[in-house]
Amino acid sequence: QKEVEQDPGPLSVPEGAIVSLNCTYSNSAFQYFMWYRQYSRKGPELLMYTYSSGNKEDGRFTAQVDKSSKYISLFIRDSQPSDSATYLCAIKSGSNYKLTFGKGTLLTVNP
Amino acid sequence: GAVVSQHPSWVICKSGTSVKIECRSLDFQATTMFWYRQFPKQSLMLMATSNEGSKATYEQGVEKDKFLINHASLTLSTLTVTSAHPEDSSFYICSARETSGSNEQFFGPGTRLTVL
Repeated sequence: QKEVEQDPGPLSVPEGAIVSLNCTYSNSAFQYFMWYRQYSRKGPELLMYTYSSGNKEDGRFTAQVDKSSKYISLFIRDSQPSDSATYLCAIKSGSNYKLTFGKGTLLTVNP
Repeated sequence: GAVVSQHPSWVICKSGTSVKIECRSLDFQATTMFWYRQFPKQSLMLMATSNEGSKATYEQGVEKDKFLINHASLTLSTLTVTSAHPEDSSFYICSARETSGSNEQFFGPGTRLTVL
């Protein structure tokens, strides 16, 4: 079993839709959870960062962590064509700085 | 915000040659830098962790003699792909962690390597 599982998609939605992106992880030692956005041929940029179960909201983005289920989600409200990118979940334990990435989900928001 | 640059942004080389990629933290000091490789439609795979002034730590399966890493200063790490082969063609991305202790890694824009 891989440490982080993420459905690679692709996912195509109309503009204005609510998008749900998900990852599962296997190691309960993981404590920090991140979502990155990566445009084509660019490096990833950090969108959301959290370390506790529950929801964290930032504008149109909400990150959700359920440690009991080892399940993390990213919700995008009122999706825009500019949100079209690959979204990668990343997790790490508290003892080191190594990030373990999911495979990434390719999202296309159609105008 | 913290900015990480990479140079070159893309490079094409002949098989058997060596290629050096630079990673710089522009507005902060980075004790630790990381080198990732990303194949098309795949996730980022950590290759090695680079600590300023010490030897890099390589992930399992990554040949340290092929991928030479030097972290000579708090703002610069280099990755040299030696005797490159077509299978080394990939997108190489570095990230840097602030010396101040923030948990966040800031990523560079990546370097596209094509080996003919």
